[in-house]
Amino acid sequence: DAGVTQSPTHLIKTRGQQVTLRCSPISGHKSVSWYQQVLGQGPQFIFQYYEKEERGRGNFPDRFSARQFPNYSSELNVNALLLGDSALYLCASSERTVNQPQHFGDGTRLSIL
Amino acid sequence: GENVEQHPSTLSVQEGDSAVIKCTYSDSASNYFPWYKQELGKRPQLIIDIRSNVGEKKDQRIAVTLNKTAKHFSLHITETQPEDSAVYFCAASISEYGNKLVFGAGTILRVKS
Repeated sequence: DAGVTQSPTHLIKTRGQQVTLRCSPISGHKSVSWYQQVLGQGPQFIFQYYEKEERGRGNFPDRFSARQFPNYSSELNVNALLLGDSALYLCASSERTVNQPQHFGDGTRLSIL
Repeated sequence: GENVEQHPSTLSVQEGDSAVIKCTYSDSASNYFPWYKQELGKRPQLIIDIRSNVGEKKDQRIAVTLNKTAKHFSLHITETQPEDSAVYFCAASISEYGNKLVFGAGTILRVKS
């Protein structure tokens, strides 16, 4: 079975640009969560979506937005990129929404110049 | 909000010895505690988890213990092997907040052969 897949694997942008990251969950998983991992730190929660609805939001500015599609895949959008947005963006999927084992994808490495 | 502290930040053990990593959480409502292993450049991999209604869980060489009164939980790895070398993250979540995981800062485990 395919695990969580994310695209692209690497991305280089400049300050002020916009970026869209994509995630496909494990088949049968209806919940997708997004995390930001800065080098040397643990992942930080950005969003959770379940059945196309936002179920949780972390302490990130409004420049960050996300959505979930009918096939449960998800996109994370970041506008007006800042140097500090450089990080590994991880997507995790789970079967349901509450206290479920979450399985991570390989992430998208975003570098801002 | 929830805060998770993890110790030690680095741990070196001899092959065959045991390794223990400890985490403390702040919110007594936390009720789900997973552990992830992350090798360099790879995704966080779920290795074991425990819920608040259980005091201990084992899976081969890995075990997790939970002390709700003291609000701490620990990862125990026995008979360590070089392939156990990685960064280990503990996390906690509260069912009212869905699948939001709050991660510790990570422990770099080095197993010397």
